[in-house]
Amino acid sequence: GQNIDQPTEMTATEGAIVQINCTYQTSGFNGLFWYQQHAGEAPTFLSYNVLDGLEEKGRFSSFLSRSKGYSYLLLKELQMKDSASYLCAVRAYNKLIFGAGTRLAVHP
Amino acid sequence: NAGVTQTPKFRILKIGQSMTLQCTQDMNHNYMYWYRQDPGMGLKLIYYSVGAGITDKGEVPNGYNVSRSTTEDFPLRLELAAPSQTSVYFCASSSVEEPQHFGDGTRLSIL
Repeated sequence: GQNIDQPTEMTATEGAIVQINCTYQTSGFNGLFWYQQHAGEAPTFLSYNVLDGLEEKGRFSSFLSRSKGYSYLLLKELQMKDSASYLCAVRAYNKLIFGAGTRLAVHP
Repeated sequence: NAGVTQTPKFRILKIGQSMTLQCTQDMNHNYMYWYRQDPGMGLKLIYYSVGAGITDKGEVPNGYNVSRSTTEDFPLRLELAAPSQTSVYFCASSSVEEPQHFGDGTRLSIL
């Protein structure tokens, strides 16, 4: 089976940096995805890692260590609109399995 | 480009009724997925398909059925609706190279 863990909730200040961690256990690993989901909306794709290392896309970066079963999403220069849930998802054997998500609250 | 289209957007069912949630994609993606999301929770995979004529169970398949007769369509059927199936249902599609694209969701209440 698969097990994906991420913190339930986090808070941060506007303009700051926040790191959301994700640990996973799975066989057949073929990529790790991060999605953003605002309340009442569908998830939207943020980033994807299949090899170890850091992927940077503007204010968002994602890191993967396959040997440790560990990833993080780094959000820089936080804005109020970044208040949302952040979903870590692991692809294995053609399936994409999601963690429970981390609710991030950004305050002034 | 419409992407992934789900219908209906909202529905209220009585216990024991049946219904089909429709999902269509126009991106020629081979992979399609159905998820449910309960309030404050993550997405749980119900069923998925890697191509027309091929379907497989996900994490929570009980009480649901799917079919994939064409590349574009992947309907989800509830045969005997139960209160535990009250949820938001998301359909998604992808290719091997692309991440999943999600529909806007169907909000289903069973009373």
